[in-house]
Amino acid sequence: EIVMTQAPLSSPVTLGQPASISCRSSQSLVHSDGDTYLNWLQQRPGQPPRLLIYKISNRFSGVPDRFSGSGAGTDFTLKISRVEAEDVGVYYCMQTTQFPRTFGQGTKVEIK
Amino acid sequence: EVQLEQSGAEVKKPGTTVKISCKVSGYTFTDYYVHWVQQAPGKGLEWMGLIDPADGETIYAEKFQGRVTITADTSTDTAYMELTGLTSHDTAVYYCATDGPWGQGTLVTVSS
Repeated sequence: EIVMTQAPLSSPVTLGQPASISCRSSQSLVHSDGDTYLNWLQQRPGQPPRLLIYKISNRFSGVPDRFSGSGAGTDFTLKISRVEAEDVGVYYCMQTTQFPRTFGQGTKVEIK
Repeated sequence: EVQLEQSGAEVKKPGTTVKISCKVSGYTFTDYYVHWVQQAPGKGLEWMGLIDPADGETIYAEKFQGRVTITADTSTDTAYMELTGLTSHDTAVYYCATDGPWGQGTLVTVSS
């Protein structure tokens, strides 16, 4: 199975400042159809996960444009351009290229 | 609006079985897979399996193979996840999800 590794596991940030989370996969996430199926999810405290980004860089419906995704192959990044209080939570990368679907360990974003 | 409405919390004895439902609305049920994900208390996300409601085909994670059964009722647009042989390690919140929105989660507590 594909192992997803996130860094850092904890990210204290100042309101209004940027934040960045890295995600690496143990093998390429490029599917045979040419697409790369790497998603980012946000889980606010006490809430279910919510899809933020799909296929590396596509924001899901209703996701603010301060969230952006980038990367290719095995290395991916989620960036928050200016962190707001509502962004506090745990962020997961998830690959849907191959079965079983696998998640990163999660990165906790908190306000300094 | 796409919604996934899950059944309520359950308390089960060790060795028994739990069956959770996930009723979808806002889209054609047979157009998308329904996934099930486990989240143990204070832990990350673990993919359990999925069903294609169009034909009933299922894929299960190796960890849960033999204990989990995912089904779909196209007459009621509802997916189900049944987990047998419950132990304390199965105490968790279980989520159904599409490739977009997620359900609100169902807490299953296994206790004697």
